[in-house]
Amino acid sequence: NAGVTQTPKFRVLKTGQSMTLLCAQDMNHEYMYWYRQDPGMGLRLIHYSVGEGTTAKGEVPDGYNVSRLKKQNFLLGLESAAPSQTSVYFCASRSHTVGEQFFGPGTRLTVL
Amino acid sequence: RKEVEQDPGPFNVPEGATVAFNCTYSNSASQSFFWYRQDCRKEPKLLMSVYSSGNEDGRFTAQLNRASQYISLLIRDSKLSDSATYLCVVNEDTNAGKSTFGDGTTLTVKP
Repeated sequence: NAGVTQTPKFRVLKTGQSMTLLCAQDMNHEYMYWYRQDPGMGLRLIHYSVGEGTTAKGEVPDGYNVSRLKKQNFLLGLESAAPSQTSVYFCASRSHTVGEQFFGPGTRLTVL
Repeated sequence: RKEVEQDPGPFNVPEGATVAFNCTYSNSASQSFFWYRQDCRKEPKLLMSVYSSGNEDGRFTAQLNRASQYISLLIRDSKLSDSATYLCVVNEDTNAGKSTFGDGTTLTVKP
């Protein structure tokens, strides 16, 4: 039982490049989340999903897209990376009946 | 105004001290509340849920005041290992799915 995993763990991009971050969970959770955390700051919600095939915008959705084609996976895409997107990205999941979120280890992204 | 606001800190306390953190939330329809702990550059982990009647887990006590829309975390007999950032989390209605984190309060416990 791996819990929540994130791929990749580290990435360096050049401005304008695109990439996809993958989050996978094996707990059969309905809800999944993508957050970003900048140095010295709290977590800000980018997008979230309450079920397969559904997504919703969070606090800071601009510049990101997401997809939830399978219940266990939640993908975060950056179409044209900008230096302002340099951050640590955390994925989380939770059951729809229990509020506790389980987090992945994070992806450290640097955009040059 | 942020939806969830915490004491900015940092809090620097000696071992054995009692320290309290507060968190306020703006959405009166919020349904569930949590405290998470985050160690440097690691993922957040659940410390405890916060129930209306208040709850205690060892040296940690959490309280919820719905009328005033704030939650609190009390740590007694602080240990060096309690040094971390404490995050307040507020969930909307369970079925809506949205969660909002506070910016966190950093605690350093010194010998």
